[in-house]
Amino acid sequence: QSALTQPASVSGSPGQSLTISCTGTNNDIGASYLVSWYQQYPGKAPKLILYGASQRPSGVSDRFSGSRSANTASLTISGLQAEDEADYYCCSYTGRLSWVFGGGTKLAVL
Amino acid sequence: EVQLAESGGGLVQPGGSLRLSCAASGFTFSGSAMLWARQAPTKGLEWVARIWSDGTSISYSESVEGRFTISRDNAKSVLYLQMHSLRVEDTAVYYCARDSEYAFANWGQGSLVTVSS
Repeated sequence: QSALTQPASVSGSPGQSLTISCTGTNNDIGASYLVSWYQQYPGKAPKLILYGASQRPSGVSDRFSGSRSANTASLTISGLQAEDEADYYCCSYTGRLSWVFGGGTKLAVL
Repeated sequence: EVQLAESGGGLVQPGGSLRLSCAASGFTFSGSAMLWARQAPTKGLEWVARIWSDGTSISYSESVEGRFTISRDNAKSVLYLQMHSLRVEDTAVYYCARDSEYAFANWGQGSLVTVSS
């Protein structure tokens, strides 16, 4: 199972909206809405920010939103803030009791 | 509050074995599927293994199938990962996580495993 494809890096200015894409195949994202997104700060454990492609866990800012279409999932961060600077990973359940992550995207807030 | 705490990491030679533990609290451990994931130095995340709440269903990534064994003790609220035939490429921070709706809902702080001669 190959990793999902994410851009290596993205950047934006405070207040802007920004979207991170996550591309898979018919065997993962295309077969399941069970896409999740994680935020990770350097040296820290990842944190779940979206599940089921677009659902936010309790306590996660509504500035984070997600969508899925065909073999691609997207994470949108609105009203970009300095604290959003982190690594972001997508993950898809494949429907065969296995999961596949994306390679990660480093977000820089300029 | 959900808490997960990994332990058991360390330095091991190639071909060696190691067992990681993950102590869970703050939720009904016996009712939750659990996962292991890992992250090699400066690399991305990789799913390793998953076990159903009662241990009846287990799955592994291709990279560890046949070498790693996931298990759990619901009476003690502890998750395990027994690792054999370790390779240099298994060097990583290993995280345990609670599975909720097929997402890694909560994560431990991680335990570093270094495979080197």
